[in-house]
Amino acid sequence: EPEVTQTPSHQVTQMGQEVILRCVPISNHLYFYWYRQILGQKVEFLVSFYNNEISEKSEIFDDQFSVERPDGSNFTLKIRSTKLEDSAMYFCASSESGADTDTQYFGPGTRLTVL
Amino acid sequence: TQLLEQSPQFLSIQEGENLTVYCNSSSVFSSLQWYRQEPGEGPVLLVTVVTGGEVKKLKRLTFQFGDARKDSSLHITAAQPGDTGLYLCAGRGAGTYKYIFGTGTRLKVLA
Repeated sequence: EPEVTQTPSHQVTQMGQEVILRCVPISNHLYFYWYRQILGQKVEFLVSFYNNEISEKSEIFDDQFSVERPDGSNFTLKIRSTKLEDSAMYFCASSESGADTDTQYFGPGTRLTVL
Repeated sequence: TQLLEQSPQFLSIQEGENLTVYCNSSSVFSSLQWYRQEPGEGPVLLVTVVTGGEVKKLKRLTFQFGDARKDSSLHITAAQPGDTGLYLCAGRGAGTYKYIFGTGTRLKVLA
């Protein structure tokens, strides 16, 4: 069964460093998403991406964050200058269409630890 | 701001018992999904409901979407230790791409 994959599974970085989290969405999906989950808290939406553009973003997704689809298979989340409060699990998701009723499939997540 | 409240927050029951988890909001959702999440892993989709009043069954799990599409429930019949985990509901409003996640219900089924 097709699935969303994410790398690395765990990333440790120093505060102020740039990190890039990588995702390979399901191959025929056109819409891509990033969510994050701070330890012990709810899963929160960050951004959605379609046709090489951000289609929606939350207030969390500030100028420190960017997303890119550098090739036909990868979808990346970059944090330019990490802060301690960026420590969280980051989940990538993809869906076939952007319809309200379409299912989003989640990857296993990348645990980001900022020291 | 759309919020999804789940109840109960924690539930510990004996194997073989039945249980119901609730997911409530004051907002209307176009679709609602239920997930199960294991520690350190991503949410795994159980079901998507899209029609008010819709009922879906997945083996011993029964999911219902409220008539007004503001709430949902998950009923587990004859719970087993393998059902232990964190259950999340997530709703999506019309015209938006994002899912709003609930606060989660942590279920523990004792053998």
